[in-house]
Amino acid sequence: QQQVKQSPQSLIVQKGGIPIINCAYENTAFDYFPWYQQFPGKGPALLIAIRPDVSEKKEGRFTISFNKSAKQFSLHIMDSQPGDSATYFCAAERDSNYQLIWGAGTKLIIKP
Amino acid sequence: EAQVTQNPRYLITVTGKKLTVTCSQNMNHEYMSWYRQDPGLGLRQIYYSMNVEVTDKGDVPEGYKVSRKEKRNFPLILESPSPNQTSLYFCASSLSSMGGQPQHFGDGTRLSIL
Repeated sequence: QQQVKQSPQSLIVQKGGIPIINCAYENTAFDYFPWYQQFPGKGPALLIAIRPDVSEKKEGRFTISFNKSAKQFSLHIMDSQPGDSATYFCAAERDSNYQLIWGAGTKLIIKP
Repeated sequence: EAQVTQNPRYLITVTGKKLTVTCSQNMNHEYMSWYRQDPGLGLRQIYYSMNVEVTDKGDVPEGYKVSRKEKRNFPLILESPSPNQTSLYFCASSLSSMGGQPQHFGDGTRLSIL
């Protein structure tokens, strides 16, 4: 199976809280896992990415946690701000031709 | 400014009337791709191109055509559009087709097929 399952579909968090978005995959051949952020009227933009040889990666307030044995990875946003309100997509890269398989997306709202 | 430019941004048309959505990138990227975005389904790849004159089907290629005659341009062609092709379309490019490359997206084209 080539799917990437993302949850939740939507999420509302108070400013300063830590939203967590989860993704699960089935194909153990995936070897690159990016997160993209999309604002209304814009295309997705790469936020942060991880490879399965590390369990965690931080860039500013954004952290990816990766559990290879469970085939799951998640995005955490520390000290969330209203400007973080966007749709977030996880993805996994197919190693045969480097195509990205995308999760369904999570619409995140950070309340002031 | 490095960018991927799609045109038009919005289009309402009728079933069967051929249309082309243009995509151009100014970053000298080798890899280009077309996606459609539908609620609850994320992004699904339609076609991709690893380099000039090299194109291949993605996951949902039916009803679409592409060409890559120049490195910078990758138009998407709907020869006979149908209502089930109503969607938000994105063009993307990356430096190469090698793994782990960030994809740069255009701002999207919203197509409505009546």
